Amino acid sequence: NAGVTQTPKFQVLKTGQSMTLQCAQDMNHNSMYWYRQDPGMGLRLIYYSASEGTTDKGEVPNGYNVSRLNKREFSLRLESAAPSQTSVYFCASSAGSKQYFGPGTRLTVT
Amino acid sequence: AQSVAQPEDQVNVAEGNPLTVKCTYSVSGNPYLFWYVQYPNRGLQFLLKYITGDNLVKGSYGFEAEFNKSQTSFHLKKPSALVSDSALYFCAVRRASGTYKYIFGTGTRLKVLA
Repeated sequence: NAGVTQTPKFQVLKTGQSMTLQCAQDMNHNSMYWYRQDPGMGLRLIYYSASEGTTDKGEVPNGYNVSRLNKREFSLRLESAAPSQTSVYFCASSAGSKQYFGPGTRLTVT
Repeated sequence: AQSVAQPEDQVNVAEGNPLTVKCTYSVSGNPYLFWYVQYPNRGLQFLLKYITGDNLVKGSYGFEAEFNKSQTSFHLKKPSALVSDSALYFCAVRRASGTYKYIFGTGTRLKVLA
């Protein structure tokens, strides 16, 4: 039981490049989330998926897209990376009220 | 709109002393309240939650939190701090119904001094 896994762990992009962050959970949870963590800002919700087939915007969705591929997987895509998207990205899943977090992806955009 | 405030960026406490990390919230309707802990270069780990019932909730590693509806607060406490408690602590809130969105505070760094 791996819980929530994220790939890659680290990534450096140049401005304008695109990439997809992958997230998978093996706990059969309905809800999945993408957050970004920035110093002094805490965690901010980018997008979430309450159940397979649905996605909704969070606090800071601009510049991102998501895909809930199936119940296990929820990916986050940056179409044209900007330096302001330099951050640590966390995926989480939940069933009921408790959230389980992945180890994070540290993304640097130069 | 939902919001969470953690008024202290950092809390320092001596090992063996009681600790308190403060959290206040704003949410329409009944709240679900949470505390999470983050160790360096790790994801967040669940500590405890308040859903309903007893205002004092107990969680992992000897932590507890008190829900105070009139003061809209949910402070995290521990009777005797350990050096290993040093970490970043996040308070979070969610409405009890109608949404799956969680709002997190900005975090409080707890430093326990030996």
